[in-house]
Amino acid sequence: KQEVTQIPAALSVPEGENLVLNCSFTDSAIYNLQWFRQDPGKGLTSLLLIQSSQREQTSGRLNASLDKSSGRSTLYIAASQPGDSATYLCCEYSGAGSYQLTFGKGTKLSVIP
Amino acid sequence: DAGITQSPRHKVTETGTPVTLRCHQTENHRYMYWYRQDPGHGLRLIHYSYGVKDTDKGEVSDGYSVSRSKTEDFLLTLESATSSQTSVYFCAISASNNLNTEAFFGQGTRLTVV
Repeated sequence: KQEVTQIPAALSVPEGENLVLNCSFTDSAIYNLQWFRQDPGKGLTSLLLIQSSQREQTSGRLNASLDKSSGRSTLYIAASQPGDSATYLCCEYSGAGSYQLTFGKGTKLSVIP
Repeated sequence: DAGITQSPRHKVTETGTPVTLRCHQTENHRYMYWYRQDPGHGLRLIHYSYGVKDTDKGEVSDGYSVSRSKTEDFLLTLESATSSQTSVYFCAISASNNLNTEAFFGQGTRLTVV
């Protein structure tokens, strides 16, 4: 069974700070890794997808990296804003015969004005 | 929202009654998934489908069944609802022509079993 771990479970930072969210996974046959954002009471919004052949992806103030050898991914948020407050989830996709998406439990981010 | 519609969005039902949740997609994607999300447990896979009439169990499949008779629809049925099945249910889809594709989620169905 694949496992995805996100640490810390919660993080509070002042506005304007750069921050890193961590995700670790046990699947050595990972196909891709995807980062999502979830606002309270809402669904999941896709932020970035990193394919297994890639090392990083960028979108605006967000940068996600993938290191398959160490089983780790990071989501870097630059110049954080109060609107970034949400729960961030990482998800790994194992295509090795299972087609399953496995999620971490998320990091709840609070950006304090 | 990548053309995913979940219905109903909210439902209250009594213990022991059957309940069916529907996920409808307009993207013609091959893979569809049902997850439940609970505090402290995160998102857990209930069942998934890799094609019409092709389904398999996830980690929390007990008490649930699914059907996929058309590419666009994936139904989740609680045969006899229990209070432990009170949760938020999410449907997700991903494409098949390239395994390195994004997954997209519906807005969720909040189910309360009383």
